[in-house]
Amino acid sequence: DADVTQTPRNRITKTGKRIMLECSQTKGHDRMYWYRQDPGLGLRLIYYSFDVKDINKGEISDGYSVSRQAQAKFSLSLESAIPNQTALYFCATSDGDRLDNQPQHFGDGTRLSIL
Amino acid sequence: QKEVEQNSGPLSVPEGAIASLNCTYSDRGSQSFFWYRQYSGKSPELIMSIYSNGDKEDGRFTAQLNKASQYVSLLIRDSQPSDSATYLCAALPISGGYNKLIFGAGTRLAVHP
Repeated sequence: DADVTQTPRNRITKTGKRIMLECSQTKGHDRMYWYRQDPGLGLRLIYYSFDVKDINKGEISDGYSVSRQAQAKFSLSLESAIPNQTALYFCATSDGDRLDNQPQHFGDGTRLSIL
Repeated sequence: QKEVEQNSGPLSVPEGAIASLNCTYSDRGSQSFFWYRQYSGKSPELIMSIYSNGDKEDGRFTAQLNKASQYVSLLIRDSQPSDSATYLCAALPISGGYNKLIFGAGTRLAVHP
């Protein structure tokens, strides 16, 4: 089984719909992240969480919200989807005990298309 | 200026050659640096990390860090067609409190037989 699992893997939906992407991990890491990836722009951080009570905005948080339901679960919501949120979304985790050595481990991604 | 910059490529090398991938970063206080490999439509996979000046070797991969020049590179020896992918450079800058990785846009490598 994958250490970082994202669901769904693919989603097509319409403008204005509310969408939730889910991420769960079995690595025991405290830190979890949501990124989006667009061609030519690389990975951009949406939100990150260092524990259940700690949620922080990344560089492109507008239009998104998150919930850290447990150490192992971190979900991303699009409250009212718009076409320019069409992208590949990745969840990642890292070991919070190592502040200067934080390789991130990625899930397989969710390909989201908004029509 | 982007915090982490890479040439988008494609970098085309023949099989068996050395591929040299380069990355520069703007935050002089950045501490840790990572190279990820990403096949098309797949998730990034960590292949190298480097924290101090100099070279770090792991199999066919060598990461090089020069903090004075704010430069990180990845060398792939004996390149194989299976190395064809996009390579992402990432830095851990002080501007993010060492809490957020900043990724470059990636360099696409094509290894041809």
